[in-house]
Amino acid sequence: AQKVTQAQTEISVVEKEDVTLDCVYETRDTTYYLFWYKQPPSGELVFLIRRNSFDEQNEISGRYSWNFQKSTSSFNFTITASQVVDSAVYFCALSEDYNFNKFYFGSGTKLNVKP
Amino acid sequence: DAGITQSPRYKITETGRQVTLMCHQTWSHSYMFWYRQDLGHGLRLIYYSAAADITDKGEVPDGYVVSRSKTENFPLTLESATRSQTSVYFCASSETTGGIEKLFFGSGTQLSVL
Repeated sequence: AQKVTQAQTEISVVEKEDVTLDCVYETRDTTYYLFWYKQPPSGELVFLIRRNSFDEQNEISGRYSWNFQKSTSSFNFTITASQVVDSAVYFCALSEDYNFNKFYFGSGTKLNVKP
Repeated sequence: DAGITQSPRYKITETGRQVTLMCHQTWSHSYMFWYRQDLGHGLRLIYYSAAADITDKGEVPDGYVVSRSKTENFPLTLESATRSQTSVYFCASSETTGGIEKLFFGSGTQLSVL
């Protein structure tokens, strides 16, 4: 079974629309970390956010917001008023218990924002 | 320039040849990683290193060899390249301070094995 599932392979929206990228994870550990990374067309992955399993507070950073719900094992990412520069592949990742060998990436969601 | 650099950016090789992908970081990060990115699989960990002379296998280590004689360098060698190793390879580094910190990625090496 996949540890991190990003069911949306590709999403297309028009600029200024809001869009939510889904991430569902699976772990038996009580301590774990969740991440989102952005991979723009240039190729390099860029860190966006890290949350630990003890902090379920939602977070907002400008147009970006993250909804962490342990009850549904989800860590969804919403972009408000999307822009063309948001076009990228977004990866959700899970790290279990301080172990880099247990660092799992989802398969990614490609977001296309059209003008 | 500071950061993490990979070379070459693109590489074409033939089945059976040995290929080495280079990775260099200037932050003195303890941890370094090699991932491969394939469509439908996201990123999968090949090898990682916690410090100089300490390396360990990840999820897909077969056919790859790594070394880390210096903290700043972490080369990945394909001993006898196969077509299934055609992929985009990313090197990453991280400084851990008691937990799992974010990863810093290089720009990737696109490898084609013919």
